[in-house]
Amino acid sequence: GAGVSQSPSNKVTEKGKDVELRCDPISGHTALYWYRQSLGQGLEFLIYFQGNSAPDKSGLPSDRFSAERTGGSVSTLTIQRTQQEDSAVYLCASSPRGTKNIQYFGAGTRLSVL
Amino acid sequence: AQSVAQPEDQVNVAEGNPLTVKCTYSVSGNPYLFWYVQYPNRGLQFLLKYITGDNLVKGSYGFEAEFNKSQTSFHLKKPSALVSDSALYFCAVRDGPPNAGNNRKLIWGLGTSLAVNP
Repeated sequence: GAGVSQSPSNKVTEKGKDVELRCDPISGHTALYWYRQSLGQGLEFLIYFQGNSAPDKSGLPSDRFSAERTGGSVSTLTIQRTQQEDSAVYLCASSPRGTKNIQYFGAGTRLSVL
Repeated sequence: AQSVAQPEDQVNVAEGNPLTVKCTYSVSGNPYLFWYVQYPNRGLQFLLKYITGDNLVKGSYGFEAEFNKSQTSFHLKKPSALVSDSALYFCAVRDGPPNAGNNRKLIWGLGTSLAVNP
């Protein structure tokens, strides 16, 4: 079956512009996660959606970052007024119920802010 | 507070030699522990997990990891390394029972870059 799909795979934008990154999780997965991975760095947790519960936004680095998950499926991560330090690979993962946290990752969106 | 440490940024081994990638953790309850691998220009893939039971866990691609409660460690091992094992390896943890709750957020290590030389 299809895995986690992220689009676009690459995004180049100018400083100050807004960007939207999309994540299509595996069908039926109840949990969805967004991470940021800067060059040579580990995973930085951004936000976590679990079913109908309020999302855990504790990792969002500033109020320029927001995410939503519509209908318990597709998620969009929005970065407003992008800065050069936002340049990174943004990874999305989803997880089904009852698997003790095995997360299935997409290939990521590489964001470059010029 | 929950935390994970991968003390080595990089590990170099010769092909055919055994490899170890280290991970130590801190949680308030019993841990759920995970290893993921990231091959160049690809997303992360699940390798193996420890939830409960046998301390030695076997996973994909011939990897295994040993849960050591007294040392709070979960080192990743493979008896004979392949050049194709060269990748970035991440250890992750979350609290299990009785502190598990409903939050399934993982705490991730910073990753260890494994280079297997031919």
